[in-house]
Amino acid sequence: EPEVTQTPSHQVTQMGQEVILRCVPISNHLYFYWYRQILGQKVEFLVSFYNNEISEKSEIFDDQFSVERPDGSNFTLKIRSTKLEDSAMYFCASSTPIGNTIYFGEGSWLTVV
Amino acid sequence: DAKTTQPPSMDCAEGRAANLPCNHSTISGNEYVYWYRQIHSQGPQYIIHGLKNNETNEMASLIITEDRKSSTLILPHATLRDTAVYYCIVRSLRSGYALNFGKGTSLLVTP
Repeated sequence: EPEVTQTPSHQVTQMGQEVILRCVPISNHLYFYWYRQILGQKVEFLVSFYNNEISEKSEIFDDQFSVERPDGSNFTLKIRSTKLEDSAMYFCASSTPIGNTIYFGEGSWLTVV
Repeated sequence: DAKTTQPPSMDCAEGRAANLPCNHSTISGNEYVYWYRQIHSQGPQYIIHGLKNNETNEMASLIITEDRKSSTLILPHATLRDTAVYYCIVRSLRSGYALNFGKGTSLLVTP
């Protein structure tokens, strides 16, 4: 069964460093998403992306964050200058063009020290 | 998107049916009811969704009341691996619309 894959599974970074989280969405999907989950809290929407542009974003997704689809398969989330409070599990997701069911990857755990 | 209300936790004996309720009294006509679950910080897993008719797939059944103000997710024969947080989410099918997760119901399946 096709799945969303994410790398790395776990990354530790120093405060102020840039981080790029990578995702390979399901191949025929056209909508892509990033969510995050701080430990013990609920899953929060960050951004959705379609046709090479952001279609929707939350207030969490400020200027420190950016997304890109650099080629035909990868979808990335960049955090420019990480803060301690960026420590969280980051989930990538993609959805079918018809029906629009969203499927999630297993997540990338980011620890900022 | 309409708000949903779920009990914070439930228990179910292994092998029994787990019935997880959800209230969504402000649901509008073009909004679907989605169910996802999350097993111990893994990625949320899609279970099922429906508009107004009852739905069944290999994982679960979804029963939506006639007025669409509430629904029940049924896991017909719960196993220990069904222990997870279950999220009921109301969402428009407009493409690109995000899912807004609440706190869900923490289901514990016991031997």
